[in-house]
Amino acid sequence: EPEVTQTPSHQVTQMGQEVILRCVPISNHLYFYWYRQILGQKVEFLVSFYNNEISEKSEIFDDQFSVERPDGSNFTLKIRSTKLEDSAMYFCASNKDNEQFFGPGTRLTVL
Amino acid sequence: SQQGEEDPQALSIQEGENATMNCSYKTSINNLQWYRQNSGRGLVHLILIRSNEREKHSGRLRVTLDTSKKSSSLLITASRAADTASYFCATALNDYKLSFGAGTTVTVRA
Repeated sequence: EPEVTQTPSHQVTQMGQEVILRCVPISNHLYFYWYRQILGQKVEFLVSFYNNEISEKSEIFDDQFSVERPDGSNFTLKIRSTKLEDSAMYFCASNKDNEQFFGPGTRLTVL
Repeated sequence: SQQGEEDPQALSIQEGENATMNCSYKTSINNLQWYRQNSGRGLVHLILIRSNEREKHSGRLRVTLDTSKKSSSLLITASRAADTASYFCATALNDYKLSFGAGTTVTVRA
């Protein structure tokens, strides 16, 4: 069964460094998303992406964040200058027929 | 905010018993989805119910939706130890984002 995949599973970085989180959505899906979950908290929407552009973004998704679909398969989230409070699980998801399927997540730890 | 809020926050049941959890939300929705998350792992999609549907079944799962009360319930019948997880409802106004609740932590005792 097709799955959303994410790499790496765990990323440790120093505060102020740039990180790129990678996702491969399910191949025939049209909508792509990033969410994050700070330890012990709710899953929070960051951004949605459709037809090669951002459809909607939350207030969390500030100028430090960007998304890109550099080729036909990958979908990336870049954080330009990480802060301690960016430490969280980051989930990618893709959607067809309204059902959103999530990847296993990348645990980002900012030191 | 249209966020779903689950109730109860935690539930402990004996294997074989049924588990029921509820979700309330605030605004009109297009659909509502339930997810399961095992500790430290990803979100597994369980079931989607559209705003014009009242009940859906999938295996041992039964979901209801009452749009007049802005609430949904998830029933897991004949629970198993493997059902131990956190369960989240997520509401969707459109295709662009899901709004998640805080979840119900279910522990199934053997």
